Amino acid sequence: EAGVAQSPRYKIIEKRQSVAFWCNPISGHATLYWYQQILGQGPKLLIQFQNNGVVDDSQLPKDRFSAERLKGVDSTLKIQPAKLEDSAVYLCASSLDPTGGNTGELFFGEGSRLTVL
Amino acid sequence: AQSVTQLGSHVSVSEGALVLLRCNYSSSVPPYLFWYVQYPNQGLQLLLKYTSAATLVKGINGFEAEFKKSETSFHLTKPSAHMSDAAEYFCAVTAAGGFKTIFGAGTRLFVKA
Repeated sequence: EAGVAQSPRYKIIEKRQSVAFWCNPISGHATLYWYQQILGQGPKLLIQFQNNGVVDDSQLPKDRFSAERLKGVDSTLKIQPAKLEDSAVYLCASSLDPTGGNTGELFFGEGSRLTVL
Repeated sequence: AQSVTQLGSHVSVSEGALVLLRCNYSSSVPPYLFWYVQYPNQGLQLLLKYTSAATLVKGINGFEAEFKKSETSFHLTKPSAHMSDAAEYFCAVTAAGGFKTIFGAGTRLFVKA
């Protein structure tokens, strides 16, 4: 079974530039998450999709971050314009529908490391 | 609302010694609890999970954790550390049947030869 795919693995940009990250979840996983992991910290949830609808985006900085999951499968996270403090690893994860009696364990991709100079 | 506190950002043990990583949680509803491990430049992978069945949970690589409701704890242990256990460990909580998984700040485990 293929895991969660993310690209690119690494990206270096100047502040005020834009960047986009792509994620393809495990086939059949209805729920998709984007987490931000700053060095030395635990993952922080940015946005959570259930199929192609947003469940939680309360911690997404909406003035600069956007995310979409148009067909309920893969997803794109965009940052525009980037700030120095956006330097982090962006982790995508997927899970089966937790309300369907599943336990909600997350399956993570390898992450996309962003450096903003 | 849920929250997770991991005591100790760094833990160092000798190879062959007991590993104990501490996690306390708060949850207004029955929780599901998880331990994830992260190796350098990789994503997180599940070590073990508690989902309201047995309170002592066994996971991969010889790790286990015990759910103690009275202490709101879910500490991770391994009887004998191996060099390959050196990694970052994250405790996480989700409300049963809920959507949001909250992670602790992580504990980095160092294993000395």
